[in-house]
Amino acid sequence: IQMTQSPSTLSASVGDRVTITCRASQSISSWLAWYQQKPGKAPNLLIYKASSLQSGVPSRFSGSGSGTEFTLTISSLQPDDFATYFCQHYHSYPLTFGGGTKVEIK
Amino acid sequence: EVQLVETGGGLIHPGGSLRLSCAASGLIVSSSYMGWVRQAPGKGLESVSLIYSTGSTIYADSVKGRFTISRDDSKNTLYLEMNSLSVDDTAVYYCANLGGCGGGGCSSGPYFDHWGQGTLATVSS
Repeated sequence: IQMTQSPSTLSASVGDRVTITCRASQSISSWLAWYQQKPGKAPNLLIYKASSLQSGVPSRFSGSGSGTEFTLTISSLQPDDFATYFCQHYHSYPLTFGGGTKVEIK
Repeated sequence: EVQLVETGGGLIHPGGSLRLSCAASGLIVSSSYMGWVRQAPGKGLESVSLIYSTGSTIYADSVKGRFTISRDDSKNTLYLEMNSLSVDDTAVYYCANLGGCGGGGCSSGPYFDHWGQGTLATVSS
């Protein structure tokens, strides 16, 4: 299953509402996770099962979608949110990740 | 609090071998579901290998037959033995415990819950 993220790069300002899209090459139901990664650091789990917020993750992050199209939304972008975001399906093996979306300061 | 600390990375020639270790605290490796994910420099993420609490293992096609995942219960440590290394294996290797797993399987997973800081393996002549 191929995972395609768009856009690959996104320029935004603090306070903006940001939406990142992840598309699967076939239906994965709701078996999708989102991660945030900052330079030189390990990824951090944000969302699992498409819309379940991981404990400790700020509520400005939300996920939606099912089947083949999914979105990660940051309701009001904060300075700490400038990072790269990856989606990952876990519908079947092999597990695969999207190519990433880098959120940059505008 | 779960903490995972990877060690064992370094510079290795093509065709060589390397063993990565992941020392765990805050969880019991033998009863956990764990895995290795790698990231080539400036690239995306690739799931390399998983191990269930039952001992069942899963490998990416790109490493099957060359890499072996294992654990030492007495040391509460996860390992990744890497053989026949090529330049394409150059990456930061992260260990992680798996979410959505339990009862011998991963019916609601697996996704990667807690991650270590990673260790860099560089394959170069």
